[in-house]
Amino acid sequence: EVQLLESGGGLVQPGGSLRLSCVASGFTFSSYVMNWVRQAPGKGLEWVSPISSSGGTTYYADSVKGRFTISRDNSKNTLYLQMNSLRAEDTAVYYCARKNTENAFDIWGQGTMVTVSS
Amino acid sequence: SSELTQPPSLSVSPGQTASITCSGDRLGDKYACWYQQKPGQSPVLVIYQDNKRPSGIPERFSGSNSGNTATLTISGTQAMDEADYYCQAWDSSTVVFGGGTKLTVL
Repeated sequence: EVQLLESGGGLVQPGGSLRLSCVASGFTFSSYVMNWVRQAPGKGLEWVSPISSSGGTTYYADSVKGRFTISRDNSKNTLYLQMNSLRAEDTAVYYCARKNTENAFDIWGQGTMVTVSS
Repeated sequence: SSELTQPPSLSVSPGQTASITCSGDRLGDKYACWYQQKPGQSPVLVIYQDNKRPSGIPERFSGSNSGNTATLTISGTQAMDEADYYCQAWDSSTVVFGGGTKLTVL
């Protein structure tokens, strides 16, 4: 079964750090561009960051640029999101999502909740 | 980056047709996707490349895209179709999501 499983969310104080992980199974992870998408409580979807299949190319939304770092370990079928200098507005469910060859996000994880609060 | 505009809400009676619009500058020149999200669940891709359905998505879901508007159409809407729907497109290698439409079936 094709699956993505996120972990690493939790409660963190403003200015703190968290590292999210997303473990893939059921497909050749190293062949796909992977993404982080977040959703603040009661709000819509926001694309945060993609990473190329090799890990050599990344991109960040302006809202997280300079604070978040996306990476991947293809030997472990795992996607990461290092989040530093967290702010209250980063509070959201963070999803990892696979981009398929038709440029659609066809597989989504169950999400992991990040709450930034003192 | 460009924006995609959706109506915040839409109500439809069971068995009727629901049409959810997504507007953006020259959206018809790009491919549009649609995602369904039920409460407490992850988004699910229901339409890609304007009008293609992934495996497992019912035939009552269809899409179109022309000019500045993409449309998701649900024919014979069922109670199980009640959900939030998001359009998405690519703009200069970046992803843009619409604000979402809450579809109520009543």
